[in-house]
Order: sequence, then structure tokens, then C-alpha cells
Amino acid sequence: GQNIDQPTEMTATEGAIVQINCTYQTSGFNGLFWYQQHAGEAPTFLSYNVLDGLEEKGRFSSFLSRSKGYSYLLLKELQMKDSASYLCAVRDQASGTYKYIFGTGTRLKVLA
Amino acid sequence: ETGVTQTPRHLVMGMTNKKSLKCEQHLGHNAMYWYKQSAKKPLELMFVYSLEERVENNSVPSRFSPECPNSSHLFLHLHTLQPEDSALYLCASSQGWTSGGQETQYFGPGTRLLVL
Repeated sequence: GQNIDQPTEMTATEGAIVQINCTYQTSGFNGLFWYQQHAGEAPTFLSYNVLDGLEEKGRFSSFLSRSKGYSYLLLKELQMKDSASYLCAVRDQASGTYKYIFGTGTRLKVLA
Repeated sequence: ETGVTQTPRHLVMGMTNKKSLKCEQHLGHNAMYWYKQSAKKPLELMFVYSLEERVENNSVPSRFSPECPNSSHLFLHLHTLQPEDSALYLCASSQGWTSGGQETQYFGPGTRLLVL
């Protein structure tokens, strides 16, 4: 079946580095997305991986290993405004159309 | 501001009411989506429209009825809902089914729905 797992909550200190892991099982993998969602707001796009390796975008990086069904989002130099939920989502194309499967999200608290 | 707007932002309705949620995207996209987000549960894809044609219906109860009159507008018509339907309903859009395209989804702010 299709399944995405990520930790429910994480806590880190301002200025630190945090890694949020995501494991997935899909039959027609066609890309992995990370979104940030602040409380009461829309999810906003952070990163996209479709090939193995690391994608870096400023303080945020995302890694993908398709053979392991694994991704992580790395946040460096944490700031208070990074406190949010981080959603891992996989695009599946098994049925001929795109289907987006989301994890439950990881709520990150950044402490001063 | 993502270029996707939703109205209303908050809605309280009784189980016998009929209401509609509206979504509008100003990004020139060809695909639009409805998602349901409940507490402590993953985002659930409800419906997908591509070029105004429904391409995905994820076993959603018939009390939810989508409508896509053109590629910029998407509605979700609600009738005889249940209390367990209370959730945040998110609309999203993406460029469209392009082979190998990234197809990033851009989300609206959502409608917080409470069914009494």
C-alpha cells in the first residue's frame, strides 16, 4: 500500500541544525515534496526531489534515497520563525494520474 | 500570498444546511485540488481537476460535490454534512499534467469548517 511516516514532534534550539526524516512506501514514485505549514496558514512549498541526492536551498536542504524509500529535510541556523509543521509528500503515478500522498507532518518547535 | 484564495475562511453550519466553498487561483494553472486536513491526520486528497475535467475522486462521500466551471475557479458544495466532517479544507493548484514536470502545488489558506 501507500504510506508515509515522519516524526510527530521535534524540538531544537535557535541557531542549531535539525534533520526531519521521512520514510515512504509507494508503487509509482514520481517525486517527493517538503512543505512548511505555520499554524492557521496554507502549506508553502520548500523543496522537491525526484533523483537521489541532496538539493540545497539556502538554509534548507532535502535529501532523497529512492532505493531506501527515505528522505530528510535539513534546517540549518534555526530561527524562531522556523517553528512550524513540516509536511513530507510523495507523488505517485501508479494509476496513470498524479496522486499526492502526505504524511501527518512534523511539528517543529524552535526554542530561544 | 500564494496566488490561491479561498472563501469563506471560517464556516459554521448545521447538519441540514447547504453551503459552498470557493477557491480561485491567479497563477494560470490548469490543475486544481481539494484536500481535507483534520487534526493529527495527514492531508487527504479529495478531488483533482485537470483542464476542468475531474480526474480523481478519492472515495469521497456524495455529501461533498465539487464543481470546476473554468480553470481558475473551483467549488466544493456541501450538504447534509456530519460533525466528523469538521476540518480545514484546502484548495491547491498546479501547472498541469506535464510529463516530467515538477507539478508543485500552491495552496490556499483554507476554510475552517465546523459542523454542528
